[in-house]
Amino acid sequence: GENVEQHPSTLSVQEGDSAVIKCTYSDSASNYFPWYKQELGKRPQLIIDIRSNVGEKKDQRIAVTLNKTAKHFSLHITETQPEDSAVYFCAATHSGGGADGLTFGKGTHLIIQP
Amino acid sequence: DAGVTQSPTHLIKTRGQQVTLRCSPKSGHDTVSWYQQALGQGPQFIFQYYEEEERQRGNFPDRFSGHQFPNYSSELNVNALLLGDSALYLCASSPGPGTDTQYFGPGTRLTVL
Repeated sequence: GENVEQHPSTLSVQEGDSAVIKCTYSDSASNYFPWYKQELGKRPQLIIDIRSNVGEKKDQRIAVTLNKTAKHFSLHITETQPEDSAVYFCAATHSGGGADGLTFGKGTHLIIQP
Repeated sequence: DAGVTQSPTHLIKTRGQQVTLRCSPKSGHDTVSWYQQALGQGPQFIFQYYEEEERQRGNFPDRFSGHQFPNYSSELNVNALLLGDSALYLCASSPGPGTDTQYFGPGTRLTVL
């Protein structure tokens, strides 16, 4: 089955700086890669996703890149703000193949220092 | 438009008991997936339901079972509870199998004593 590794487990950046979180996956059949943000005591919230036919996707201060050959994808947050502090999870699945349960990484605790 | 809802919010059980958790999907969604999230970990996929049938299952024992009703709502049942079953149980819905984007409910916090 799929295995997703996520690094780092904790990331502390100064407000206004950029943050990068990296994930690798093992199953070359995976073709859908979402990122979720989870604040303490709240539900995971989808913030951006990318499909394997695209190498990069951007939404305002958030971007995701995908390298299918190396089987890794990354989340980039620019101009970080205090409200970006949360745990971020990457996930992967083979969508449309009859098996689209998400496999998640262990999460990155992002801390934005004022 | 209501999002994904779950009940109850919190639940305390003792070892060996059985528990039923409930989920109502987002309006227009017909596929429901269940995940277990242990403290400090990422969610782990339990199973997915579509057209009232289990479509896919993760690596969980058959003490974990589910059901989907004609109105697309779903239940997760766990029998013979173990201390290790203590976790946040999350339900996610999507507009159809293979449509990948999943939206999560607030979860049910289960504590097994």
